[in-house]
Amino acid sequence: DGGITQSPKYLFRKEGQNVTLSCEQNLNHDAMYWYRQDPGQGLRLIYYSQIVNDFQKGDIAEGYSVSREKKESFPLTVTSAQKNPTAFYLCASSIGPQEPFFGQGTRLTVV
Amino acid sequence: AQKITQTQPGMFVQEKEAVTLDCTYDTSDPSYGLFWYKQPSSGEMIFLIYQGSYDQQNATEGRYSLNFQKARKSANLVISASQLGDSAMYFCAMSGVYGGSQGNLIFGKGTKLSVKP
Repeated sequence: DGGITQSPKYLFRKEGQNVTLSCEQNLNHDAMYWYRQDPGQGLRLIYYSQIVNDFQKGDIAEGYSVSREKKESFPLTVTSAQKNPTAFYLCASSIGPQEPFFGQGTRLTVV
Repeated sequence: AQKITQTQPGMFVQEKEAVTLDCTYDTSDPSYGLFWYKQPSSGEMIFLIYQGSYDQQNATEGRYSLNFQKARKSANLVISASQLGDSAMYFCAMSGVYGGSQGNLIFGKGTKLSVKP
């Protein structure tokens, strides 16, 4: 079955550590996105990529980095520069004018 | 600046009744899309319905319909015949903010819908 796989589902990070969240899709979608969701809030765009080897910052890119070396993969690294990384992270993909399709999410907690 | 406003933090509806979830938006771009997503407690975002800014008719998808009033900049979601499984967070979103593909969305803060048996 086609879909988006995010891993891990839960992730714990010590302060000062970088962590990488995985996002893989087998939908053959060109565009991929990372969103952050805080409790009681809507989603906010972190980064997006419309083609391989190209990506752009969204509203809240500071403290995050991404890569897009393959069409299927769009990993997100939460760096130590992100001061408040505890949140729910959602990856999405889309093709053309179709609505974006979301993964199951990764819940990141700083301990 | 583009913005989505959902003024109802929480709503209750009786099973089998209809319910309207409000959404207003603000944009100066003549071309945009409006989306509704459902987020159950498990966290995934489930696409419900889409309305393009140039669409003449209101969108419908099964029990979901979108009441699009362009002049008032509103895009309310109507759920008919509510079911217990409809209990979830509902988010209104708008595309076209960053240009390019449809997935660059700006979201409202959501409405928590609770369906009572």
